[in-house]
Amino acid sequence: NAGVTQTPKFQVLKTGQSMTLQCAQDMNHEYMSWYRQDPGMGLRLIHYSVGAGITDQGEVPNGYNVSRSTTEDFPLRLLSAAPSQTSVYFCASSRSGVTYNEQFFGPGTRLTVL
Amino acid sequence: GNSVTQMEGPVTLSEEAFLTINCTYTATGYPSLFWYVQYPGEGLQLLLKATKADDKGSNKGFEATYRKETTSFHLEKGSVQVSDSAVYFCALRGDSSYKLIFGSGTRLLVRP
Repeated sequence: NAGVTQTPKFQVLKTGQSMTLQCAQDMNHEYMSWYRQDPGMGLRLIHYSVGAGITDQGEVPNGYNVSRSTTEDFPLRLLSAAPSQTSVYFCASSRSGVTYNEQFFGPGTRLTVL
Repeated sequence: GNSVTQMEGPVTLSEEAFLTINCTYTATGYPSLFWYVQYPGEGLQLLLKATKADDKGSNKGFEATYRKETTSFHLEKGSVQVSDSAVYFCALRGDSSYKLIFGSGTRLLVRP
């Protein structure tokens, strides 16, 4: 099992550019989520999905879109990047069923918006 | 709403010292509690968890006890090693939600 994979590992964008951060998992997990990590603020939930075709907003969804067409993939789209979106982004997945199931995290994407 | 508060770092210790990282939470119902660890340049890994009051989670010499009366889940280790240097996150999941709510993280630096 590769677990949770994310691409790219690093990315530099100019203000106004768009891009998609890729996330995939091979554990057949129903629940997937995106977080951003900023210094001194821990991880904050951007969007999440409880299964294919179902997504919902987290704590900080503005400026980001998601879709879930398959169980395996959960891409995060930045439509018009802003410097405030400079952060490290983590994708995570877990089985559903009970809330104490472990969430598995990807290695992260470090994004810089100039 | 649910929230997690953990002690600010960095925490600097000598090897073999005793470690405590404080974590308190606010939540309704019966949340599940977690400690995650992030080594430099990596994603988060689950360190330990507890799912009900008085449960003790343990792993790799680390322990934490779910104390509902004090709404706390403090992380402890009796003798830290240089390899324990990392950022530690306390987190909770509400009893009817899959969302993880994180504390701000505590950086631990262990010196030889």
